[in-house]
Amino acid sequence: GENVEQHPSTLSVQEGDSAVIKCTYSDSASNYFPWYKQELGKRPQLIIDIRSNVGEKKDQRIAVTLNKTAKHFSLHITETQPEDSAVYFCAASTDDYKLSFGAGTTVTVRA
Amino acid sequence: NAGVTQTPKFQVLKTGQSMTLQCAQDMNHEYMSWYRQDPGMGLRLIHYSVGAGITDQGEVPNGYNVSRSTTEDFPLRLLSAAPSQTSVYFCASSKIMNTEAFFGQGTRLTVV
Repeated sequence: GENVEQHPSTLSVQEGDSAVIKCTYSDSASNYFPWYKQELGKRPQLIIDIRSNVGEKKDQRIAVTLNKTAKHFSLHITETQPEDSAVYFCAASTDDYKLSFGAGTTVTVRA
Repeated sequence: NAGVTQTPKFQVLKTGQSMTLQCAQDMNHEYMSWYRQDPGMGLRLIHYSVGAGITDQGEVPNGYNVSRSTTEDFPLRLLSAAPSQTSVYFCASSKIMNTEAFFGQGTRLTVV
């Protein structure tokens, strides 16, 4: 099955700086790559996703890049704010409804 | 429109007891799934369903059963609870394959 690895496990950034989280996947057939944000005690919520026919996608301060050849994708958060503090999960899926998640990255934005 | 609703929110079980975690969605989504979340391990798929009457196993199915008699409901049954099943359980639904998964608020289960 699909194996998704996520790094780093924790990330501390100064408010206003950028944060980058990287994930690698094992199944070359994977074609859907969502990112979820989970605030403390809350449910995961989708923040951005990308499909395999696209190399980059941006939504305001959040961007995701995909390198199919290297089988890795990354989340970039610019101009970080305190409300960006949360656990972020990457995931990958083929055409089988099964989402495989990374272990998560705890992001702390220091004021 | 309530989205995905899970009950209960908290539960303590004794080893060997059985129970059912309830999940309901009101978005007419075909796809529903159950995940467990453990520290440092992300979300792992237990079982999933692509429509009423159709279920399949995920990554960690042992010790759990599911059924899908209606589009709206997807209960998860623990047959004989074990301490290793102590976890936070999330139900999720999606309209179609490879689109946004909407999660319930989670059930924190402790097995003693």
